[in-house]
Amino acid sequence: DSGVTQTPKHLITATGQRVTLRCSPRSGDLSVYWYQQSLDQGLQFLIQYYNGEERAKGNILERFSAQQFPDLHSELNLSSLELGDSALYFCASSVAGVGNGYTFGSGTRLTVV
Amino acid sequence: TQLLEQSPQFLSIQEGENLTVYCNSSSVFSSLQWYRQEPGEGPVLLVTVVTGGEVKKLKRLTFQFGDARKDSSLHITAAQPGDTGLYLCAGARMDSSYKLIFGSGTRLLVRP
Repeated sequence: DSGVTQTPKHLITATGQRVTLRCSPRSGDLSVYWYQQSLDQGLQFLIQYYNGEERAKGNILERFSAQQFPDLHSELNLSSLELGDSALYFCASSVAGVGNGYTFGSGTRLTVV
Repeated sequence: TQLLEQSPQFLSIQEGENLTVYCNSSSVFSSLQWYRQEPGEGPVLLVTVVTGGEVKKLKRLTFQFGDARKDSSLHITAAQPGDTGLYLCAGARMDSSYKLIFGSGTRLLVRP
């Protein structure tokens, strides 16, 4: 157990639907990062939050949004889902910065049918 | 365009062989990390290198950061089946952002 909890582990949904992925960071970590991993594109950075505020944005689609709550857990919302959104979605946390590396959760596997 | 290029993409070797994985970029990084990922799990941090030319050893794994902090290598001595997995390098940019940029990965299979 890495200390980063992601739910659900698997999600199957239809095109056009909306889903919410949840992440609880490791205790004491203020930063949360979301990554998308697909077979042909590796780990792609989506967005970062630090202590409730958005810190950095990557190639996140407008159909996707995220937030970090006062208790530091984070949610990634994916809407108007398309087949191409099928991927593994990882959450990672860190104390601050990247010096100590990220701790990743075990991911949510999203399948859009 | 991948900011961090890893090579080779796939590697299948016999137990006991040595191997080297490369991570190259045209960008300078403040630090570089190596992760290993197993199926169904998230990547797990192996090491962080910060200083140009730095060499770190973790049992049979040797990590090196290039002098110019643009590249890194991972060398495994006497590979074992337990080393099988996806190896990812990740660089932290020199700007103020803290996000890591990941390479495309090297998938290693060590055959008994």
